[in-house]
Amino acid sequence: AQSVTQLDSQVPVFEEAPVELRCNYSSSVSVYLFWYVQYPNQGLQLLLKYLSGSTLVKGINGFEAEFNKSQTSFHLRKPSVHISDTAEYFCAVGRGGGNKLTFGTGTQLKVEL
Amino acid sequence: SQTIHQWPATLVQPVGSPLSLECTVEGTSNPNLYWYRQAAGRGLQLLFYSVGIGQISSEVPQNLSASRPQDRQFILSSKKLLLSDSGFYLCASGTNYEQYFGPGTRLTVT
Repeated sequence: AQSVTQLDSQVPVFEEAPVELRCNYSSSVSVYLFWYVQYPNQGLQLLLKYLSGSTLVKGINGFEAEFNKSQTSFHLRKPSVHISDTAEYFCAVGRGGGNKLTFGTGTQLKVEL
Repeated sequence: SQTIHQWPATLVQPVGSPLSLECTVEGTSNPNLYWYRQAAGRGLQLLFYSVGIGQISSEVPQNLSASRPQDRQFILSSKKLLLSDSGFYLCASGTNYEQYFGPGTRLTVT
């Protein structure tokens, strides 16, 4: 069965510093991986996705992620964060019939001045 | 692109009362539809999904039910709410694993 582990529940970072949010997955079949962002009291917005092809995936708002099959990881990175990036970030893996997703427990990114 | 509408945005209901949350989708046809519940620090839990009108699959046993009376309408219901039903409910629509989410409904059961 597919599962996702987000290793950090909270990540504080100063504005304009780089950030990495970690995600490890477990899957016995073809892997489809996603990162979503959630701002307070809102729904989730898709940041980027890996379905196949290049292991480096670029998304919206300057974020990117790298699919690493040997380490079963899909870490999210941004070279320089902004205050507006403060939000909760969820990693997800596709599973089973119905195109379902299994989500991690989320990482709260807090960008400080 | 798809737009997901959910209402109401917030809801406070007493224990034992009924529930009906509605979700409608614009900008696509024959999508897969999903209901999630989000509790603080616990990520998103998939409650129900539907691949077509009248086709509902439940992921977890619970006090809730779902229905899909039209292609782009998904309803979450309960006959009698429990305190444990409190949470943030999200509707999503998608194909090929890519899901678009609505703004959510914050339900507080008192």
